[in-house]
Amino acid sequence: DSGVTQTPKHLITATGQRVTLRCSPRSGDLSVYWYQQSLDQGLQFLIQYYNGEERAKGNILERFSAQQFPDLHSELNLSSLELGDSALYFCASSVGVSRDTEAFFGQGTRLTVV
Amino acid sequence: QQQVKQSPQSLIVQKGGIPIINCAYENTAFDYFPWYQQFPGKGPALLIAIRPDVSEKKEGRFTISFNKSAKQFSLHIMDSQPGDSATYFCAASKAGNQFYFGTGTSLTVIP
Repeated sequence: DSGVTQTPKHLITATGQRVTLRCSPRSGDLSVYWYQQSLDQGLQFLIQYYNGEERAKGNILERFSAQQFPDLHSELNLSSLELGDSALYFCASSVGVSRDTEAFFGQGTRLTVV
Repeated sequence: QQQVKQSPQSLIVQKGGIPIINCAYENTAFDYFPWYQQFPGKGPALLIAIRPDVSEKKEGRFTISFNKSAKQFSLHIMDSQPGDSATYFCAASKAGNQFYFGTGTSLTVIP
């Protein structure tokens, strides 16, 4: 168990809908990262937050947004969902902001868009 | 466009063998190269990482070899065990904290 908690574990929703994925980082970790893993795109970095502020942005679509709250948990919001958004979404957390600080991954949320 | 190219897609070795997974990149701005191990149903876990100022790094049975001029790096697993059966991802990162991942290699170690 990495100490990173993601909810829900599974989510099935229809095209056009909006969902929110939640991540609770390990105790003491200030950085939260979001990743998408799909069969056709592989593992892709989406976004990083550090202590409530956005620190790095990857291949995150405009339909997606994220935030990190004062208690350090993070949410990834996915809207106007398309079939191609079906994927595993991972959250990871680390103590520091630097990219060579080890990040620990949660078990992921499997999103299925039908 | 795949920023990091990884091969092979899958690999089967006998126990005790030395599987080698290769990655290549083009962007010379990359300066941090981690490898991740992922078991089914789990998130990736950092295995070992290297910066381009060294040509080799060992941690236990895992070794990264890095060739800066060729823009290639590889993972070697010494004395492989069935418990090493997993998917391995290489990645590259540059200033700004963005990470780019290879497509993954599924490794099976046969007892």
